[in-house]
Amino acid sequence: GAVVSQHPSWVICKSGTSVKIECRSLDFQATTMFWYRQFPKQSLMLMATSNEGSKATYEQGVEKDKFLINHASLTLSTLTVTSAHPEDSSFYICSAPPDRGRGYTFGSGTRLTVV
Amino acid sequence: AQTVTQSQPEMSVQEAETVTLSCTYDTSENNYYLFWYKQPPSRQMILVIRQEAYKQQNATENRFSVNFQKAAKSFSLKISDSQLGDTAMYFCAFMKSPLSGAGSYQLTFGKGTKLSVIP
Repeated sequence: GAVVSQHPSWVICKSGTSVKIECRSLDFQATTMFWYRQFPKQSLMLMATSNEGSKATYEQGVEKDKFLINHASLTLSTLTVTSAHPEDSSFYICSAPPDRGRGYTFGSGTRLTVV
Repeated sequence: AQTVTQSQPEMSVQEAETVTLSCTYDTSENNYYLFWYKQPPSRQMILVIRQEAYKQQNATENRFSVNFQKAAKSFSLKISDSQLGDTAMYFCAFMKSPLSGAGSYQLTFGKGTKLSVIP
């Protein structure tokens, strides 16, 4: 079945550095990718929507300059957390929306810890 | 905007018993989809069941079934013959019809219910 490969699965970085999270669609093309953030024991909150070939759409309250999203090709979307701080520590999940009979396809998530 | 409410933060059930997780939602849309997702400790999101709002018949997937009450905007999940592997967070989610235009395909999640199956 369709798979979204998300890497890394976990990362620890120092405060002030940047971290890139990649989501690759395998065996299908994704013109759109949703990026979610999940705090411990909480729900998934939509951060932004990336679109291949155009600018990402950010949800209210999400800092565009901190969370850089790029959808470079039909199979790759990236989220870069710039100048990370401890409050950015969270679980980040990407998801490709349904298309042509394929349902939502979630990545396996990235646990980011900023120390 | 849509809202999804799961009023049970935590539940437990004995193995082989039946449990029902509740979910209510609020929307002005007439065409939409509802989902139940399972998130085990691995954190991978797994689709449990989905319901199209235009279908009156309740969806069923093996041991999982829903009670969809459109007028009441209620969408509960029943798990029969609970198994240890059912232990997970369960999220109810709402999606507008793809024909609705702006915001289509975006999922709105409830806060989740942590289900523990007790041996």
